[in-house]
Amino acid sequence: AQSVTQLGSHVSVSEGALVLLRCNYSSSVPPYLFWYVQYPNQGLQLLLKYTSAATLVKGINGFEAEFKKSETSFHLTKPSAHMSDAAEYFCAVTSRGGGNKLTFGTGTQLKVEL
Amino acid sequence: NAGVTQTPKFRVLKTGQSMTLLCAQDMNHEYMYWYRQDPGMGLRLIHYSVGEGTTAKGEVPDGYNVSRLKKQNFLLGLESAAPSQTSVYFCASSYEGLAGNEQFFGPGTRLTVL
Repeated sequence: AQSVTQLGSHVSVSEGALVLLRCNYSSSVPPYLFWYVQYPNQGLQLLLKYTSAATLVKGINGFEAEFKKSETSFHLTKPSAHMSDAAEYFCAVTSRGGGNKLTFGTGTQLKVEL
Repeated sequence: NAGVTQTPKFRVLKTGQSMTLLCAQDMNHEYMYWYRQDPGMGLRLIHYSVGEGTTAKGEVPDGYNVSRLKKQNFLLGLESAAPSQTSVYFCASSYEGLAGNEQFFGPGTRLTVL
């Protein structure tokens, strides 16, 4: 079985400040990890993914995430928040076989304030 | 390319009514998925398909049926709707093969069951 835990259902940052969204995973086999973003009333869009290549993964819109096996973490960061980053962010995990099924975390709502 | 499309966008049902949600993709993907999204619970997999003519249960399949008669379409049926099925439903698709392939999401269907 695999699962992800997202700490903090709501995170608020000031524009220009560091964004840090936390994700910890549990998996008995090597995981593949994803971050998706959901803007209001829209579907999910892939930000970045880890598939066992480089542990530091760069994604769209200036986001990046680092896979740390020792900490079972895959936290999402962005050096400087922009108002347009306000959205809900989901961490997800899958593994080899079984139809590429994703298990999602419960999501973190990011608010960016002036 | 339209990507993943969902029909309808909104629907209100009365308890006991039936309906079918249609998902279509034009990317020639083998795998397709149906999720439901509820506040504070992230996305949960209802059913999925790894190819035309195949379906399998996900995490929360009760009360739903699916069919994949054509590769590009994946239908989700509610035979007797219940208020607990009020949710936002997302369809997704991905390439087959190695895990870690991105899932592409549709815009969602907002369903209310009274």
